[in-house]
Amino acid sequence: GNSVTQMEGPVTLSEEAFLTINCTYTATGYPSLFWYVQYPGEGLQLLLKATKADDKGSNKGFEATYRKETTSFHLEKGSVQVSDSAVYFCALSDPGSGNTGKLIFGQGTTLQVKP
Amino acid sequence: DTAVSQTPKYLVTQMGNDKSIKCEQNLGHDTMYWYKQDSKKFLKIMFSYNNKELIINETVPNRFSPKSPDKAHLNLHINSLELGDSAVYFCASGQGTDNYGYTFGSGTRLTVV
Repeated sequence: GNSVTQMEGPVTLSEEAFLTINCTYTATGYPSLFWYVQYPGEGLQLLLKATKADDKGSNKGFEATYRKETTSFHLEKGSVQVSDSAVYFCALSDPGSGNTGKLIFGQGTTLQVKP
Repeated sequence: DTAVSQTPKYLVTQMGNDKSIKCEQNLGHDTMYWYKQDSKKFLKIMFSYNNKELIINETVPNRFSPKSPDKAHLNLHINSLELGDSAVYFCASGQGTDNYGYTFGSGTRLTVV
């Protein structure tokens, strides 16, 4: 079935370090791909998305490129801040779910940024 | 103005009780969802409604019953609560297409004691 796998956390970085959170997926068809962020005590917020191969999604200094050949959608940021500390979720739209908009999420990766 | 609002934010209740969680969205979306997030942060879809019609019903105990009186509201009723039902429940809304994504509510933390 369709699935998303993220790197295990927590990821601990110093402020201004470079961030990569790996995400790979398994899907039949051509899903859209998403990154969501969850700050402590809050719901998930859409961070960025890409709807077709080679698309790059970007927002707030984060970016991710839809790589069909490696079935990946890794999240990157050049210089993290303490305020980026959160849980990051990779997700795909389920191509087999018809027009329901169903999303399948990875297990989440916790990012801790230290000053 | 909150786009997707859930009530209550916290719910502590005893085993065997029946409880409801309410969700409302003011985004004009056609589709609403319920997700369950367990203690390890894993998110799993439970239900989805499109214009008051049930379109996703995952493998969920039938103690859980969603209800959508109109497309702006999706409530979740849980009968005979069990310890394993303790989790954070998220409501979300979207346009019901593959490439749009969702707007989530802030969650309801349910603790069954």
